[in-house]
Amino acid sequence: GQQVMQIPQYQHVQEGEDFTTYCNSSTTLSNIQWYKQRPGGHPVFLIQLVKSGEVKKQKRLTFQFGEAKKNSSLHITATQTTDVGTYFCAGAGMGTYKYIFGTGTRLKVLA
Amino acid sequence: DGGITQSPKYLFRKEGQNVTLSCEQNLNHDAMYWYRQDPGQGLRLIYYSQIVNDFQKGDIAEGYSVSREKKESFPLTVTSAQKNPTAFYLCASSIAAGTNSGNTIYFGEGSWLTVV
Repeated sequence: GQQVMQIPQYQHVQEGEDFTTYCNSSTTLSNIQWYKQRPGGHPVFLIQLVKSGEVKKQKRLTFQFGEAKKNSSLHITATQTTDVGTYFCAGAGMGTYKYIFGTGTRLKVLA
Repeated sequence: DGGITQSPKYLFRKEGQNVTLSCEQNLNHDAMYWYRQDPGQGLRLIYYSQIVNDFQKGDIAEGYSVSREKKESFPLTVTSAQKNPTAFYLCASSIAAGTNSGNTIYFGEGSWLTVV
């Protein structure tokens, strides 16, 4: 079945450093979404990417969708303590609404 | 207030008992989902439903059952056959806008289930 892996599993950075998490799917995705879950909370939608090779930016966050629509990345520039949380990617295979979430990357930012 | 309501927020279950987690949405979404999250882990798909009166198994459906008799409701029953049910359960929904489009998933606040 479809699997979605993320690396790294954990990342500790000093405030102001950059951070990147990578998402890899075993199958081609129709689209990919990114979510952030704060400790004790529920996942909250950040962005969706649909087109092959698409790049989107939200302030300090940059999202990319691979050409083959099987991988994606999230890059945060100059992390802040408010960026703390777990970042998940989620994707569905072509022709399905079965959204599988990645394993997540837990980010800690040290002030 | 529009959104997804899960209840109860905390639930304790004795071994051998079935329990049902409620999920209601007033977003007029066609698709609904149940995910399980273990502490420090990712989200695993239990069941999903694209339309009323239809649902599909996810990756970890064993020991769980669902129904989708109404568009706004998607209750999850954790049966005694689920050997390790202690976890955080998240209900979610999305517009089924077409499988080649983005379908933002909105989550409820979650339900903590503990087996005692």
